[in-house]
Amino acid sequence: DAGVTQSPTHLIKTRGQQVTLRCSPKSGHDTVSWYQQALGQGPQFIFQYYEEEERQRGNFPDRFSGHQFPNYSSELNVNALLLGDSALYLCASSPSGGSSYGYTFGSGTRLTVV
Amino acid sequence: AQKVTQAQTEISVVEKEDVTLDCVYETRDTTYYLFWYKQPPSGELVFLIRRNSFDEQNEISGRYSWNFQKSTSSFNFTITASQVVDSAVYFCALLGGSNYKLTFGKGTLLTVNP
Repeated sequence: DAGVTQSPTHLIKTRGQQVTLRCSPKSGHDTVSWYQQALGQGPQFIFQYYEEEERQRGNFPDRFSGHQFPNYSSELNVNALLLGDSALYLCASSPSGGSSYGYTFGSGTRLTVV
Repeated sequence: AQKVTQAQTEISVVEKEDVTLDCVYETRDTTYYLFWYKQPPSGELVFLIRRNSFDEQNEISGRYSWNFQKSTSSFNFTITASQVVDSAVYFCALLGGSNYKLTFGKGTLLTVNP
């Protein structure tokens, strides 16, 4: 049973560029959340997608946007990259209505902005 | 607002020692859920335990045990007879009743030396 898969695993981008990160949820899960984890910090919630809509958003600027597809996979897009966007981006999935059971996390995409 | 505090930034022990990781939380929700995750160097967050606010029973799973005390808003995690493989960053997290986002602490880096 495949868990949460994320791609790519590593990425290097230049300031001002745009990036797209991808996530496939665990089988049976239909809700996808994205988190940003800066070095030495805990993950910070970016947003959650359910039924192809953004259900809740954290304290992140509009440069961060997302999408969920009918097969429940999701993309995270970041525009106008800043050096401060360098972080590990984690995707987490959960079954619908089952957020209280916690989330299954992927291994993340490590984004470096130079 | 929800907040999770892990006051211990780093802990270093020798193999076979017992170690306790502290977690203090703040929330106004009467229904909430607490979690512990382990993050090895690979980056993936590995689920360890979930506890809801109505269940204050302590739990033991092998060498792991958890002590939940609502009176002090604490949810501490103890590893008995630590092993080198326990070396990782451990995160405590909170999910508020009507919220979809996990609020994480900053994590505790545990190093178990042989």
